[in-house]
Amino acid sequence: QKEVEQNSGPLSVPEGAIASLNCTYSDRGSQSFFWYRQYSGKSPELIMSIYSNGDKEDGRFTAQLNKASQYVSLLIRDSQPSDSATYLCAVNKYSARQLTFGSGTQLTVLP
Amino acid sequence: KAGVTQTPRYLIKTRGQQVTLSCSPISGHRSVSWYQQTPGQGLQFLFEYFSETQRNKGNFPGRFSGRQFSNSRSEMNVSTLELGDSALYLCASAMTEPNSPLHFGNGTRLTVT
Repeated sequence: QKEVEQNSGPLSVPEGAIASLNCTYSDRGSQSFFWYRQYSGKSPELIMSIYSNGDKEDGRFTAQLNKASQYVSLLIRDSQPSDSATYLCAVNKYSARQLTFGSGTQLTVLP
Repeated sequence: KAGVTQTPRYLIKTRGQQVTLSCSPISGHRSVSWYQQTPGQGLQFLFEYFSETQRNKGNFPGRFSGRQFSNSRSEMNVSTLELGDSALYLCASAMTEPNSPLHFGNGTRLTVT
């Protein structure tokens, strides 16, 4: 079992729709959870960080964390073609800077 | 505030050679981490430095090494290059707080021929 697993994708949604990206992790000791966006040929860019159970909203993005189910998700509302990218889920054990990344989900938003 | 700066952006090396990559973190960030990204393995952790000390190391051979200077700038070195070392090498910096998110630089694309 991989330590961090994401929807294999690719995921396509029409412009204006909600894109839902999912991630599960295996280590119950994990404390910090991050979503990064990576455009083709570019470096990862931080989208959201979440540390406690529940929802965290930032603009069109909502991160959801459920530690009991070892599950973290990212919702993108009103998806735009500019949101087309690979989304990486990353998990960090407490007090360690060693992020474990999922393999990423490629999202395409169709105009 | 300037972001994480990595140099060079591109490198082409021959098998057996060694290479040094450089990273300047965001001002005020004392933690610097290095990651390797390949199509097959994705993003993998190499090591993390804080206050000139290596705090964590990933599962990479000893050919991969790094260091951090007193101004928090960091370098990583790969000796005896192999074809499989071709990858995007990413440096990331973070604030001192343990769970602060990483901010990545633009990366160095290394091609080994």
